[in-house]
Amino acid sequence: EDQVTQSPEALRLQEGESSSLNCSYTVSGLRGLFWYRQDPGKGPEFLFTLYSAGEEKEKERLKATLTKKESFLHITAPKPEDSATYLCAVQALVAYKLSFGAGTTVTVRA
Amino acid sequence: DAGVIQSPRHEVTEMGQEVTLRCKPISGHDYLFWYRQTMMRGLELLIYFNNNVPIDDSGMPEDRFSAKMPNASFSTLKIQPSEPRDSAVYFCASSFRGPGWETQYFGPGTRLLVL
Repeated sequence: EDQVTQSPEALRLQEGESSSLNCSYTVSGLRGLFWYRQDPGKGPEFLFTLYSAGEEKEKERLKATLTKKESFLHITAPKPEDSATYLCAVQALVAYKLSFGAGTTVTVRA
Repeated sequence: DAGVIQSPRHEVTEMGQEVTLRCKPISGHDYLFWYRQTMMRGLELLIYFNNNVPIDDSGMPEDRFSAKMPNASFSTLKIQPSEPRDSAVYFCASSFRGPGWETQYFGPGTRLLVL
């Protein structure tokens, strides 16, 4: 069974204080690893898809990287509007469904 | 594009009542997913459809839950009878089989409270 573990559970940052979120996974053949952002009371919002080890993608202050066993979401010089829960999910080659981690809740203080 | 539309946004009902949640996927998308999110279990896939046909319903918790997709633009998730442990946020998501087809786009969710 596919497993996704995210750490830490919660992260409190000062504005401008860069940090990284971790997503460790086990899957029998990876089709893709996904990062979503979820704001309170809203549905998950798609950020990135990573397909193979070594791949990197960036969007504004966010950068996602992928290895064979984990993915990192780096937040550079965060702003209060980056406060959200960040969800990681994997999709196996043999199945179309996404398996989600529990998420990391990031709070950025001004 | 309006995105995935779900209704109602909030639902409060009493134990034993029937609950029907509705979803309109993004136009042109041929996959539709129903998820449930709770603090204890996180985001779980309940069932998904491809071209209106249920493909995998292994996540449906019990026979009290049923889902239908009568056409490409509408799906329902029904709980009958509802129980307090069904209280959760239910999300609908959709995707299409094209470039970037693996990406699922989520609706705003229906917050269900069963008293």
